[in-house]
Amino acid sequence: EAGVAQSPRYKIIEKRQSVAFWCNPISGHATLYWYQQILGQGPKLLIQFQNNGVVDDSQLPKDRFSAERLKGVDSTLKIQPAKLEDSAVYLCASSFGTGQETQYFGPGTRLLVL
Amino acid sequence: ELKVEQNPLFLSMQEGKNYTIYCNYSTTSDRLYWYRQDPGKSLESLFVLLSNGAVKQEGRLMASLDTKARLSTLHITAAVHDLSATYFCAVVPWAGNMLTFGGGTRLMVKP
Repeated sequence: EAGVAQSPRYKIIEKRQSVAFWCNPISGHATLYWYQQILGQGPKLLIQFQNNGVVDDSQLPKDRFSAERLKGVDSTLKIQPAKLEDSAVYLCASSFGTGQETQYFGPGTRLLVL
Repeated sequence: ELKVEQNPLFLSMQEGKNYTIYCNYSTTSDRLYWYRQDPGKSLESLFVLLSNGAVKQEGRLMASLDTKARLSTLHITAAVHDLSATYFCAVVPWAGNMLTFGGGTRLMVKP
């Protein structure tokens, strides 16, 4: 079974530029998550989708971050404009449902903001 | 706000030794996960613990959950170099769905 796919794997931008990340979850997984992992820390949930609806975006900095999952499958996460403190690994994960199912993580996109 | 704390943050141990990583959390929960992360890689699911007293074992790793103490342990038996990685615990609160991670324990096993 194919895992969670993410692209790009690496991105370097200057502050105030915009950037977008893409995620394709495991086939059949209804729930998709975006996490931010700053170096040396555990991942922090940014947003959770159930199909194409938002379940939780309480930790998403909505003044600069946006995410969508229009057809309930792929998702994009955008940062506009980027700040230095946005440098992190952005991880996408998916699970079959929102109950006790394990979340499966993609390889992540490593973002460096200069 | 749910807080998840792991200790130690860094652990250097010799091959063949035993050790335990601790994960404390601050609110009622009956769902706790352990993940492994190798440098530059993503997270790999190790264990899911879903009830008080749950114990799961895979190879040299054994995880347990005490929901009354709000504590999970990850015990390493006769460590080998291949276990070197960062280990995260993550908790879902009883009345929610958000997974909150601890800060991680970086394990280094020396030959």
